[in-house]
Amino acid sequence: GAVVSQHPSRVICKSGTSVKIECRSLDFQATTMFWYRQFPKQSLMLMATSNEGSKATYEQGVEKDKFLINHASLTLSTLTVTSAHPEDSSFYICSARPAGGQDEQYFGPGTRLTVT
Amino acid sequence: GNSVTQMEGPVTLSEEAFLTINCTYTATGYPSLFWYVQYPGEGLQLLLKATKADDKGSNKGFEATYRKETTSFHLEKGSVQVSDSAVYFCALSPRLSGGYNKLIFGAGTRLAVHP
Repeated sequence: GAVVSQHPSRVICKSGTSVKIECRSLDFQATTMFWYRQFPKQSLMLMATSNEGSKATYEQGVEKDKFLINHASLTLSTLTVTSAHPEDSSFYICSARPAGGQDEQYFGPGTRLTVT
Repeated sequence: GNSVTQMEGPVTLSEEAFLTINCTYTATGYPSLFWYVQYPGEGLQLLLKATKADDKGSNKGFEATYRKETTSFHLEKGSVQVSDSAVYFCALSPRLSGGYNKLIFGAGTRLAVHP
């Protein structure tokens, strides 16, 4: 149980284009989903927290107009990287907290974004 | 502020050796503490957790005890296997009001176990 999927697993895009990454909780409802970036051999950096049906809360230094987050249902959140640049290349990971849960988060396998 | 400090890796051990990965934290209040594991090519998986002082989390032979007096949550395993090779992340979740708790991660410690 508690499986989170991400799609796509890898994506390569040209500079200036936009890319959408999906995060789904497959066997539970998630009132809260989180988006992280992970740089090579480094830890996860929280980008934003999204609650179903409301606007995402972004961490300091994360551009909300560049990283658009939508949490339209209890099982789906999307992250859109707009006007991508090479410095946006990274590993993006989502996690989901079950409805009624407290501290636990279940993580997706991640999406490798490469901007050329 | 809230932060987590882990010992730097990589940690290289022979099979059946004893493992300790140190983790200390700084937090306001009484956070929950976690160890997550990331196997090659996979997402993070919750390994164990502890929610209050003196609690011991355990799973798959791994253990960690929430030590408030030393603000530590060191991960231990008595006999590691090759299949334990992965990156281990210590994390805390501050007990915030308002209903949601984010995770704050340490830098991760890579463990390599050789036969």
